[in-house]
Amino acid sequence: EVQLVQSGAEVKKPGESLKISCKGSGYSFTSYWIGWVRQMPGKGLEWMGIIYPGDSDTRYSPSFQGQVTISADKSISTAYLQWSSLKASDTAMYYCARGNWAALAHFDYWGQGTLVTVSS
Amino acid sequence: AIQLTQSPSSLSASVGDRVTITCRASQGISSALAWYQQKPGKAPKLLIYDASSLESGVPSRFSGSGSGTDFTLTISSLQPEDFATYYCQQFNSYPLTFGPGTKVDIK
Repeated sequence: EVQLVQSGAEVKKPGESLKISCKGSGYSFTSYWIGWVRQMPGKGLEWMGIIYPGDSDTRYSPSFQGQVTISADKSISTAYLQWSSLKASDTAMYYCARGNWAALAHFDYWGQGTLVTVSS
Repeated sequence: AIQLTQSPSSLSASVGDRVTITCRASQGISSALAWYQQKPGKAPKLLIYDASSLESGVPSRFSGSGSGTDFTLTISSLQPEDFATYYCQQFNSYPLTFGPGTKVDIK
């Protein structure tokens, strides 16, 4: 069974750093792109970027380029989303989702989401 | 970036109704479109990919059509579990983008 299990909810202060994770299982982790999607409170879905764990090829949305870093550790089948300096406006639910072998694809499996709250 | 618009933004319907949601792309995207269902507090769920292919395990009352710039998601007979928000997503080019969503609630 394909599963994406994300790390737990986080409460941080502005200016702090954060790295959240997404662990894949039940499939060949290195053969499928993994994307990250933001959902701000009461709002829609925003595509942030995507990574191919096989070779760490990464693409970012222009809206998020320079604001976050996407990485992966294929040895433990885990993708990451990290911030070096959080802002209150980063408060949101963050989902990871599995693409397919092609960089441009839909997402067939989703993690349960990680709620990030940034507040002083 | 390719912009997606959805109409309506919300609708009220009854169980058994036929529901149609439209997604329009700002430029042609061939058939590179997916539809997702999201219920409150839950992750999105893939319903349709490649504009008209039904994801495995999704009830056949859901169908998708269209190509180019105009796409449609149809629910042939609305069931109680279908009350949710529906999003389209294009994967023709980067950045991937989602539509703003259509909320379907109970009349």
